[in-house]
Amino acid sequence: QVQLQESGPGLVKPSQALSLTCTVSGALIRRDDYFWTWIRQPPGKGLEWMGYIYYSGSTNYNPSLESRLSLSVDTSKSQFSLKLTSVTAADTAVYFCARGYRSNIEYYLDSWGQGTLVTVSS
Amino acid sequence: EVLLTQSPVTLSVSPGERATLSCRASQSVSNSLAWYQHTPGQPPRLLIYGASIRATGVPARFSGSGSGTEFTLTISSLQSEDFAVYYCQQYEDWPPVTFGGGTKVEIK
Repeated sequence: QVQLQESGPGLVKPSQALSLTCTVSGALIRRDDYFWTWIRQPPGKGLEWMGYIYYSGSTNYNPSLESRLSLSVDTSKSQFSLKLTSVTAADTAVYFCARGYRSNIEYYLDSWGQGTLVTVSS
Repeated sequence: EVLLTQSPVTLSVSPGERATLSCRASQSVSNSLAWYQHTPGQPPRLLIYGASIRATGVPARFSGSGSGTEFTLTISSLQSEDFAVYYCQQYEDWPPVTFGGGTKVEIK
């Protein structure tokens, strides 16, 4: 059974970069049918799709974050990562990594990590 | 960007009763809609995809219906573990993939 686990700092200063890593176990990251995805949830708010990375390194970002977001993948470690630059308090959120099942017509998130709270504060 | 509006925001239901949750899209998303259950402290769980297909291991009391702009998630007989927040998600017109604001199902 696939498991995903987020890791990274829980506190980031304003204007700095937020970096998180998701470690995948129980499944191959080098699969044609999966998009490795990041989603976040600000306190008291709904879910926001941030983007995905394919095992080949191709990416797709939420246009609202595209100028600040960078995703990467390390297949040798079964990990994928995000880097969000120039953070503000509005980036305080629980960050989830997830496995997105993809096909010609489908893209849904069939496994999620527990989530990790990142607070942006000085 | 496709906006998804979920209603009601909060639904108070007694255990054993039926719960009906709604998700409305700002434009047609065909049947490219998924539903998730989110219990505090747990990762969100996929319940339904393709608007009506139950994910692996999801109990039969969960059912999804609808197409185009109107969708419904029905829980036929609420169990204690079903009290949670439910989100819909569309994947017809993306990026970005979008989620609804959620419906909290609470114990009456």
